Amino acid sequence: TQLLEQSPQFLSIQEGENLTVYCNSSSVFSSLQWYRQEPGEGPVLLVTVVTGGEVKKLKRLTFQFGDARKDSSLHITAAQPGDTGLYLCAGARQAGTALIFGKGTTLSVSS
Amino acid sequence: KAGVTQTPRYLIKTRGQQVTLSCSPISGHRSVSWYQQTPGQGLQFLFEYFSETQRNKGNFPGRFSGRQFSNSRSEMNVSTLELGDSALYLCASSLGLGGGGYEQYFGPGTRLTVT
Repeated sequence: TQLLEQSPQFLSIQEGENLTVYCNSSSVFSSLQWYRQEPGEGPVLLVTVVTGGEVKKLKRLTFQFGDARKDSSLHITAAQPGDTGLYLCAGARQAGTALIFGKGTTLSVSS
Repeated sequence: KAGVTQTPRYLIKTRGQQVTLSCSPISGHRSVSWYQQTPGQGLQFLFEYFSETQRNKGNFPGRFSGRQFSNSRSEMNVSTLELGDSALYLCASSLGLGGGGYEQYFGPGTRLTVT
């Protein structure tokens, strides 16, 4: 059983569209991170959220941590081809424990 | 400053052999974590080292082992390779333990193919 479930698994959209990726769990996490990975490279951290209900914005990307700290979402406004990649959420059950990764959402944005 | 480096980048081995992968963290980072990434299972945590001590361990068989040196460089070893060990092995370094909210910086990975 995957502790962090990401949906959708694949997403193919046109440039300019909006999209939302979800990361859900039945467990509480002390913090949750979002990464983006491009082919041939390691994941790169986009954001860390630690407070229930927290919303963080990174240009066209908006990240939200659920009030109960069991889920998170990533919303991209006006997607661009440069947003193409594998988006991964990762959470820590508590400080000092290992990060648990979801299986990821593969996003393809075509022009 | 220089990022996380992993060597080698690509490796082809035969079943039953053993392999050692190397990771050099960002200068000043004391934590090194190892992950296995496959299309079917995604990123799975192998182990984490901090100041030369294994602090966390994932659910992998004993064939997977690692160590960290005093300069924070880390190696992982896989003995008696199986076809299912074919994967991208990623190393990540951070200032503190990975679950503490510290940013993890990943290397480009080592692509291991077992034939």
